Amino acid sequence: GAVVSQHPSRVICKSGTSVKIECRSLDFQATTMFWYRQFPKKSLMLMATSNEGSKATYEQGVEKDKFLINHASLTLSTLTVTSAHPEDSSFYICSAEPAGFNEQYFGPGTRLTVT
Amino acid sequence: GQNIDQPTEMTATEGAIVQINCTYQTSGFNGLFWYQQHAGEAPTFLSYNVLDGLEEKGRFSSFLSRSKGYSYLLLKELQMKDSASYLCAVLNDYKLSFGAGTTVTVRA
Repeated sequence: GAVVSQHPSRVICKSGTSVKIECRSLDFQATTMFWYRQFPKKSLMLMATSNEGSKATYEQGVEKDKFLINHASLTLSTLTVTSAHPEDSSFYICSAEPAGFNEQYFGPGTRLTVT
Repeated sequence: GQNIDQPTEMTATEGAIVQINCTYQTSGFNGLFWYQQHAGEAPTFLSYNVLDGLEEKGRFSSFLSRSKGYSYLLLKELQMKDSASYLCAVLNDYKLSFGAGTTVTVRA
């Protein structure tokens, strides 16, 4: 149990375009989902916390207008990277937390490359 | 802020034991997690400590001392497939803060 999927697993886009990444909890309902980014050989950095039906809470230094997060249902959160630039190229990982639990279950990640 | 330190790299021989240390200074503490991450993949859960002491789970054990801000992950009977990055993460309120990870290389 506790499977989280992400789609797409890899995406290449041109500078200036927008990219949407989906995160789904497949066998449980997640009241909270988290979005992280990870640079090569670096730690996971929390970007934002997404709560179903409410606005996401962004970490300091993360532009909310650039990284749009929508958590429309208890099993789906989306991250849209708007007007992507090469420096946005990174590994984006989501996690989902079942209600009442402290444990986060991670998705397989999305490798974004902006050319 | 959150400060979580762990060694960058460790190398060990197949069948041996390796101990990965993690020290932390955080504004709050609700538990400490260890994750395993293979290159290009998401982290997978290994252990969770919230009380002081040793938690054993098969070949992996994790220890916590809250007063010292210290934890370690012990990997026993190392196998080649254990070559990966090991991440220490502290839960503060509802957020996880990660260390940079320790890359463990297991050699034959």
